[in-house]
Amino acid sequence: QKEVEQDPGPLSVPEGAIVSLNCTYSNSAFQYFMWYRQYSRKGPELLMYTYSSGNKEDGRFTAQVDKSSKYISLFIRDSQPSDSATYLCAPTDSWGKLQFGAGTQVVVTP
Amino acid sequence: NAGVTQTPKFRILKIGQSMTLQCTQDMNHNYMYWYRQDPGMGLKLIYYSVGAGITDKGEVPNGYNVSRSTTEDFPLRLELAAPSQTSVYFCASSPGQGNTIYFGEGSWLTVV
Repeated sequence: QKEVEQDPGPLSVPEGAIVSLNCTYSNSAFQYFMWYRQYSRKGPELLMYTYSSGNKEDGRFTAQVDKSSKYISLFIRDSQPSDSATYLCAPTDSWGKLQFGAGTQVVVTP
Repeated sequence: NAGVTQTPKFRILKIGQSMTLQCTQDMNHNYMYWYRQDPGMGLKLIYYSVGAGITDKGEVPNGYNVSRSTTEDFPLRLELAAPSQTSVYFCASSPGQGNTIYFGEGSWLTVV
């Protein structure tokens, strides 16, 4: 079993729809939860960062963490074609060591 | 703003050849990392360094070597290239553990 599981997609949605991305993990030591966005042929860039269970909102993006079920979500409201990218969840332990999921490819069509 | 710079961007190697992927960062970060990314497999940590003169193995170090003689530079060496090392390689840096990791643009390596 992989430590971090993500559906690879692609997830195709029309412009303006809500995008829902999920990630599960198995290691209880993970304490920080990051989402990275990666455009084609580019390096990943940090999108959001949460600590502990609950929700965190940043503009059109909401990250949700449920530590009891080891489940991480990212929601994108009012999706735009510029949101088309691969989204990588990356839970992190207290030592700062990230474990990346395989990523979910999102395609937002105009 | 340069950030993390990797060279070369693309390279084709023959089996058994050796090469060095260069990485430099201008943010004065202590931590530096090398990852490889294969389709459908996510990013795997090859080696990392917490400061000049200190390096440590990550998840998939076999077939690679690193050095960290300065804060800015963290080259990755492939000694005897194998087809299994065909991948996209990302160098990254961060101020410290638990901080945001900044990635370079990637180096596409094909071993034939």
